[in-house]
Amino acid sequence: DAKTTQPTSMDCAEGRAANLPCNHSTISGNEYVYWYRQIHSQGPQYIIHGLKNNETNEMASLIITEDRKSSTLILPHATLRDTAVYYCIVRVDSNYQLIWGAGTKLIIKP
Amino acid sequence: KAGVTQTPRYLIKTRGQQVTLSCSPISGHRSVSWYQQTPGQGLQFLFEYFSETQRNKGNFPGRFSGRQFSNSRSEMNVSTLELGDSALYLCASSLISSYNEQFFGPGTRLTVL
Repeated sequence: DAKTTQPTSMDCAEGRAANLPCNHSTISGNEYVYWYRQIHSQGPQYIIHGLKNNETNEMASLIITEDRKSSTLILPHATLRDTAVYYCIVRVDSNYQLIWGAGTKLIIKP
Repeated sequence: KAGVTQTPRYLIKTRGQQVTLSCSPISGHRSVSWYQQTPGQGLQFLFEYFSETQRNKGNFPGRFSGRQFSNSRSEMNVSTLELGDSALYLCASSLISSYNEQFFGPGTRLTVL
């Protein structure tokens, strides 16, 4: 079973920041949080990952709470091309597998 | 550089048949992982190969198997196909391990009739 819970869907206005929450309350000390997205009819695309500290790259920022029980992916200036299903994934420490949940369908509206 | 390629892109088979899917990773990548994606179950991990050895395996029956060649190309095989095997099969490559950034191919859409 997935170790994360996410909203089923979210809307965001084009040009605004999209904030996607993820709950991973059972995460263990060495388990990383990964974010991928899947645009319709394509394979998933890596966005970012982190352990404890906040992370930023050219695509997004990842904010992880101090207790590591939840995180937020931030797309700073959403565009229509950011419409996709966003997956928050925890890498299971025992076997290094990525357990994928159902994801959040993010719709960017003009 | 070229991305992950998967062949064929679409496949139609009948129950009881077997199928082989192929994946060519990004040049220099040594880890190849396979996933099954269905509307009901989402993305499920099948197995991971590194240096021609299966390093990790998900919870799928033995009808699902794979292998990796010395050039890192990988194949997966499904024998005795069932209707429930209809899915999008995705291949992902990464430099060393699936916990590095994974690059996914477009997938092979398998339909079992």
